[in-house]
Amino acid sequence: AQSVAQPEDQVNVAEGNPLTVKCTYSVSGNPYLFWYVQYPNRGLQFLLKYITGDNLVKGSYGFEAEFNKSQTSFHLKKPSALVSDSALYFCAVRYYSGSARQLTFGSGTQLTVLP
Amino acid sequence: KAGVTQTPRYLIKTRGQQVTLSCSPISGHRSVSWYQQTPGQGLQFLFEYFSETQRNKGNFPGRFSGRQFSNSRSEMNVSTLELGDSALYLCASSPNGPGEQETQYFGPGTRLLVL
Repeated sequence: AQSVAQPEDQVNVAEGNPLTVKCTYSVSGNPYLFWYVQYPNRGLQFLLKYITGDNLVKGSYGFEAEFNKSQTSFHLKKPSALVSDSALYFCAVRYYSGSARQLTFGSGTQLTVLP
Repeated sequence: KAGVTQTPRYLIKTRGQQVTLSCSPISGHRSVSWYQQTPGQGLQFLFEYFSETQRNKGNFPGRFSGRQFSNSRSEMNVSTLELGDSALYLCASSPNGPGEQETQYFGPGTRLLVL
């Protein structure tokens, strides 16, 4: 079965420092990987996705993610964190297997950027 | 373009009642998915509709049902509410069919509280 893991429940980083939010996946076949962000009392906002091609994907708000097939990882990164980046981040994987196409989410990582 | 809209935004019900939640996708989007978000279980897939047909269903009891109309708007219904149904219900739309590469865009959610 497809799955995605976010090993850190909480990540703290100082403003201006680089940030990384980790994600690993387990799926047979080609994965389609997504990152979403959720602010309090809001829905999920799409940040970026990996389908194929360049392993470094650039997304919204200065975020990027690196797909690493050998390590089955898709870590979210940003060179310089902002206090406004503080939110809940979700990694998700979607793949085709028979009739199963739903988006499977990780448990989420709470990012706190300290001023 | 307007985003995904969900109504109502907040709802309080008592055990045993039923509830209907509504979702209007982004204009031109034809696929609608529903998710339940709780602190304990995280984000869980409920079902996905495309062209008024349910294409995929998550592992939820039959008390959870949905439908999609010809204008792509969707409703989900929960009958005989239980305390554990208290959650944020998120609707997401995507442009075409339930394809693996499709990005889903989420609405703000409906917060349901069952007393």
